[in-house]
Amino acid sequence: GAGVSQSPSNKVTEKGKDVELRCDPISGHTALYWYRQSLGQGLEFLIYFQGNSAPDKSGLPSDRFSAERTGGSVSTLTIQRTQQEDSAVYLCASSLEGTGNTIYFGEGSWLTVV
Amino acid sequence: SQQGEEDPQALSIQEGENATMNCSYKTSINNLQWYRQNSGRGLVHLILIRSNEREKHSGRLRVTLDTSKKSSSLLITASRAADTASYFCATSGSARQLTFGSGTQLTVLP
Repeated sequence: GAGVSQSPSNKVTEKGKDVELRCDPISGHTALYWYRQSLGQGLEFLIYFQGNSAPDKSGLPSDRFSAERTGGSVSTLTIQRTQQEDSAVYLCASSLEGTGNTIYFGEGSWLTVV
Repeated sequence: SQQGEEDPQALSIQEGENATMNCSYKTSINNLQWYRQNSGRGLVHLILIRSNEREKHSGRLRVTLDTSKKSSSLLITASRAADTASYFCATSGSARQLTFGSGTQLTVLP
C-alpha cells in the first residue's frame, strides 16, 4: 500500500481481556517496528523485525506483550490480560533495510483499557 | 530510556517568526531524524541527516548536526499556524530501531 496501515484505529477493552493490533507495512519494506506512546510522552520502542532474522524484543515491557510477523509482511502485536497502564497509542513503522533509510509510521492504534 | 532530549519542551511563537528546536543525545549515531506529530496521531517524517553531514535543508526546514556536541537543531522559518505540532528527534545507532526524545510542543499563533 501507499503507507503503513494499522488497525483498529481505536480500541476500548476491559481490563483483563486480550487485544490484537495489526500492522500492514509499506510494500517491500523488510524492517518493521512497534512503538508505544503514552499520553503526552515520547515514543517507547517495543520490538523490531528485520527480514528472517530473530526479532529484537528488548523493548517489550512484560511477557504479556508479544508480536509476530507472518510471511515477512503483516505484523500483529498481542497484549494479553490487559491492564490500565497499557492504555496508549501503539505505532507501527516500516523501512527498507539499512541504517540510512527513512522510517515511516502509521497513524497508530489508540488503546484504552477500562 | 530515551536517547534524545528536546529543548525547549514547549515553544510558542507568532506566525511568521522562526522556530528553533534543539535535540541532544548520548551515544554515537548513524543518523538522526526529525518527525512531526499532530494531536497524538502518526508521525510524519521531516528530514534525515546522516552522521557525516552537518546541515540539510528541506523547504522551510533547516537541520544541523554537531556530532562532537551530540546535538542537532531544527529550524522552521516563516512559521505558519499549520506548523503547530509536536516535534521529535530520533536517533539510530548500532541498534536499528529509532530512539526518540520526549518532543517539543510548538504552538504558532495566528
